Amino acid sequence: KQEVTQIPAALSVPEGENLVLNCSFTDSAIYNLQWFRQDPGKGLTSLLLIQSSQREQTSGRLNASLDKSSGRSTLYIAASQPGDSATYLCAAYTNNLFFGTGTRLTVIP
Amino acid sequence: GAGVSQSPRYKVAKRGQDVALRCDPISGHVSLFWYQQALGQGPEFLTYFQNEAQLDKSGLPSDRFFAERPEGSVSTLKIQRTQQEDSAVYLCASSLSLDRNYGYTFGSGTRLTVV
Repeated sequence: KQEVTQIPAALSVPEGENLVLNCSFTDSAIYNLQWFRQDPGKGLTSLLLIQSSQREQTSGRLNASLDKSSGRSTLYIAASQPGDSATYLCAAYTNNLFFGTGTRLTVIP
Repeated sequence: GAGVSQSPRYKVAKRGQDVALRCDPISGHVSLFWYQQALGQGPEFLTYFQNEAQLDKSGLPSDRFFAERPEGSVSTLKIQRTQQEDSAVYLCASSLSLDRNYGYTFGSGTRLTVV
């Protein structure tokens, strides 16, 4: 079974800083990897989807990279804002979508 | 619809009560998934439908859990004789295609509290 790990579990940064969230997965035979954002008490909002053949995807201040061979993905957030405060989940798709436990990000004004 | 819609948003059930959770996927989406998210954890897979066919129910934790999608659109997750460990957020997701290169769109979830 695919195991997905996210480090750190929680992160607190001052506004304006660039930051990196890490995701690792045990089974490299993935079809894609997806990053989600979850606000307290809410569902999941898809941020970026990286296909297995791709190395990275970008959307605005967000950039996600994928290294299948090493079983790693990173989510880079540039110029962080208080509105970025949320839990960020990565999910690897093999025969199913497997989630990590998330990184809880707090951006301090 | 514009997104995946789930109802109710919140449900409080007495232990032993039966509950039914509804998911209305994006119109035309072939694939539908149910996930269970315990407090502080990532979502865990429960079951998967392709149109009306339930292709994978390996994640259902016990035979008290039952899901259906009779017409290939709306789906219902039913939990019989609820127990306290069933308390969680139940998330529904849909995907446009059988093609695994499509991502999932999630609903806002139903928060179930069993007292």
